[in-house]
Amino acid sequence: NAGVTQTPKFRVLKTGQSMTLLCAQDMNHEYMYWYRQDPGMGLRLIHYSVGEGTTAKGEVPDGYNVSRLKKQNFLLGLESAAPSQTSVYFCASSRTSGGSYEQYFGPGTRLTVT
Amino acid sequence: ELKVEQNPLFLSMQEGKNYTIYCNYSTTSDRLYWYRQDPGKSLESLFVLLSNGAVKQEGRLMASLDTKARLSTLHITAAVHDLSATYFCARGSGTASKLTFGTGTRLQVTL
Repeated sequence: NAGVTQTPKFRVLKTGQSMTLLCAQDMNHEYMYWYRQDPGMGLRLIHYSVGEGTTAKGEVPDGYNVSRLKKQNFLLGLESAAPSQTSVYFCASSRTSGGSYEQYFGPGTRLTVT
Repeated sequence: ELKVEQNPLFLSMQEGKNYTIYCNYSTTSDRLYWYRQDPGKSLESLFVLLSNGAVKQEGRLMASLDTKARLSTLHITAAVHDLSATYFCARGSGTASKLTFGTGTRLQVTL
């Protein structure tokens, strides 16, 4: 099993450009999440999904959109990138598994907006 | 406002010494997670604590949860260099156990 994978690993955007980050998991997990991590900080939740076709806002959703058309994929979109969105983006997935909801993280995408 | 605070933020330890990292959170939760992150890498799950009084141990690391005090601790016994990393605690809430992370504790173990 590959676990949680993210595409791309690195990306540089100019202000105003758009892009989509892809997260894929092969563990048949119901829940998927997108976080961002800024230097010297913990992760902050952007959006999450509790199942195929459903999404919800997290702590810092502004400037991002998400879609979960298939259970195994969770897409994060930036419609008009801003320098403040320079960050490392992590995707995670989880299942209920006895109430633990333990989250498994992907390798991350390092995004720079100039 | 939901807050998760860790202390210390930075910890330099000598090999063989013991130390504790503290994680305080502002609102009641019965799910507390500890993660490890190496520089430039992703997060590795260490412990999931699901009830008051829960204690889990793996090697030189032991985590505990006191939901009444809203406190979790990560105790390091006889530190070794391989434990050098940043450690995060995170509080889970809601149906999907959305995580609120602490700011992390950067642990440096010196010879």
